[in-house]
Amino acid sequence: SQKIEQNSEALNIQEGKTATLTCNYTNYSPAYLQWYRQDPGRGPVFLLLIRENEKEKRKERLKVTFDTTLKQSLFHITASQPADSATYLCALASGSSNTGKLIFGQGTTLQVKP
Amino acid sequence: DAGVTQSPTHLIKTRGQHVTLRCSPISGHKSVSWYQQVLGQGPQFIFQYYEKEERGRGNFPDRFSARQFPNYSSELNVNALLLGDSALYLCASSLDGAAGYSGANVLTFGAGSRLTVL
Repeated sequence: SQKIEQNSEALNIQEGKTATLTCNYTNYSPAYLQWYRQDPGRGPVFLLLIRENEKEKRKERLKVTFDTTLKQSLFHITASQPADSATYLCALASGSSNTGKLIFGQGTTLQVKP
Repeated sequence: DAGVTQSPTHLIKTRGQHVTLRCSPISGHKSVSWYQQVLGQGPQFIFQYYEKEERGRGNFPDRFSARQFPNYSSELNVNALLLGDSALYLCASSLDGAAGYSGANVLTFGAGSRLTVL
C-alpha cells in the first residue's frame, strides 16, 4: 500500500543549530514533493516544492533534498530560531494525477529552544 | 488581498446531525479542495472541485458531499455525524485543477473549521 511517513516523535533542538526532518514514502512515483508548515490552530502554509528531477532546493534558511532512489526527502532549517517551532508536513502528488490530491505525512513537530 | 476564508471557525454538533462548512478561495483561484485533519495526523484529502466540477474524491463515505458555486466558493456537507467526524476541516484553493494539468498543485489553506461532535 502507499505510505508516506515522517518522524512522529517531536524534534527538540537548541537555537542556532540545524534541524533536519525526514520524509519517507513507499509505492509512489511522485512528480514533486512539497513541504508545509503548520502552527497550532492554523492551516498549513506552503514552504517549498521540489520536482523529481531536482536534487536540492533552497529558500533562505531552508533546504530540501529529494532522493527518488531512496524514496526520501530531507528538510533542513539552518540557524534555527524559536520562531521556527511548528509542525512540518511533507506532501506528495502523483504526476499522473490531475485531481490535485496531495497525500500528507503525519507531520513532525519541531521545538527550538532558546 | 484576502486569503482563503472559512466559516464557521468552531462548531459543536451532536451525533446524527448535519453540518455545512463554507469556504471562499483566493481571488483568481478556480480550484477548491477540502481536507480533514484529525488531531495528531496530517490532512487527509476529501474532495477537489474545479470550475464547479468534482475533480477528485478521497476515501470518505457518501455522508460527505460538496459543491462549488459560480463564484468558486464551496460548501462541504456532512450528514449523520459520527463522533469520529470530529476534526479540523481545511479548505485550500489553488490556481488550476483542470483535467490534464500536470503543474504543481501548490495549496493555500484557510485556518479551518474545528468541528466537535458530541
